[in-house]
Amino acid sequence: SQTIHQWPATLVQPVGSPLSLECTVEGTSNPNLYWYRQAAGRGLQLLFYSVGIGQISSEVPQNLSASRPQDRQFILSSKKLLLSDSGFYLCAWSVQVAFFGQGTRLTVV
Amino acid sequence: DAKTTQPTSMDCAEGRAANLPCNHSTISGNEYVYWYRQIHSQGPQYIIHGLKNNETNEMASLIITEDRKSSTLILPHATLRDTAVYYCIVRVPRAISSGSARQLTFGSGTQLTVLP
Repeated sequence: SQTIHQWPATLVQPVGSPLSLECTVEGTSNPNLYWYRQAAGRGLQLLFYSVGIGQISSEVPQNLSASRPQDRQFILSSKKLLLSDSGFYLCAWSVQVAFFGQGTRLTVV
Repeated sequence: DAKTTQPTSMDCAEGRAANLPCNHSTISGNEYVYWYRQIHSQGPQYIIHGLKNNETNEMASLIITEDRKSSTLILPHATLRDTAVYYCIVRVPRAISSGSARQLTFGSGTQLTVLP
């Protein structure tokens, strides 16, 4: 069966520090992969999506970047975090139906 | 992806059926209707999807109107654990999109509160 792993579950980082969140998928091949952010009390904002290795589409200009070095690996990064980067980050994969990870709660202090 | 319209919030008594509506008047012929829910501080959970026929699984039923411009998600016997934000999305699934990129965009959803 397909599973999605996203880590870490929580993260506290100082302003100006780098970020790397990783998401891996098992049990499927060539999925669409997505990164979302959810601010407190708000909806899901699509940040990046990818249809294949090395193919990244950005939905919102921001301080973040994404990479897909392998078919089932999706990484969200930042060189220097801002306070406004705080939020709940979710990874998802999709072929017919989309399935989500459990999320990473990032607090930038 | 077609735009959807959902009520902001709904209440339902525990044990009663919860009927969540969704309008998608601009849906195209190859777009499916998907429902997800998000319980506070968790990732969204897939519930059900359909193209034009009504669908039922262990979680819910999906009723799609004949013109496909609206649908209703039915939770037959709501429990307190069904309290969540419910999202209706219409899109072409990757499996039939000829490999082209498909965004997966969520609207504001409906906050369903099941009351004891």
